Amino acid sequence: GAGVSQSPSNKVTEKGKDVELRCDPISGHTALYWYRQSLGQGLEFLIYFQGNSAPDKSGLPSDRFSAERTGGSVSTLTIQRTQQEDSAVYLCASSLVTRRTDTQYFGPGTRLTVL
Amino acid sequence: QKEVEQNSGPLSVPEGAIASLNCTYSDRGSQSFFWYRQYSGKSPELIMSIYSNGDKEDGRFTAQLNKASQYVSLLIRDSQPSDSATYLCAVISVGYSTLTFGKGTMLLVSP
Repeated sequence: GAGVSQSPSNKVTEKGKDVELRCDPISGHTALYWYRQSLGQGLEFLIYFQGNSAPDKSGLPSDRFSAERTGGSVSTLTIQRTQQEDSAVYLCASSLVTRRTDTQYFGPGTRLTVL
Repeated sequence: QKEVEQNSGPLSVPEGAIASLNCTYSDRGSQSFFWYRQYSGKSPELIMSIYSNGDKEDGRFTAQLNKASQYVSLLIRDSQPSDSATYLCAVISVGYSTLTFGKGTMLLVSP
């Protein structure tokens, strides 16, 4: 089937506005991850969902960031009161976690620019 | 603190040569190791995964893992200009499910 999809591909917003980023994982993948990649920086883990378990939110940089995953599939990452330092590419990945594999496949990303 | 270290490069090799990319990791409990390729402006694309000590070959790519030395490498044989990209090393530790990434090594293959 199709790979991981994300929308929008680009988002420009003004400082202080809220934004929502969407991720559609690969069908059948139980695990979903959000990462952030800032200019000149490596990929930074944000949040992880696995099945019906409570999400691992340990990577969220502040309480302005939140995410949900509805019906075990689509996920939305919300950034409230955006700041200029939130400008980055937000990447979603999904995987089918088994005893033999935990490979993560990435979507195309959403490039967020906060003016 | 789990850390993954890579030389930022750029690593420059001529077309047809072997490119050798290296990565070290700090968490001795790491269990899964990945190499991703990332072209400029694109998202990471999986190249290889390796879980056991030794070599794993897939076409022109060979991943090498040495857990005792906490070292993983990627060899690209017969390098092509299309291999020019940033190569990201990523690790999953025991008890975790998320990837810890190095900052990547830029590879430049000249015709």
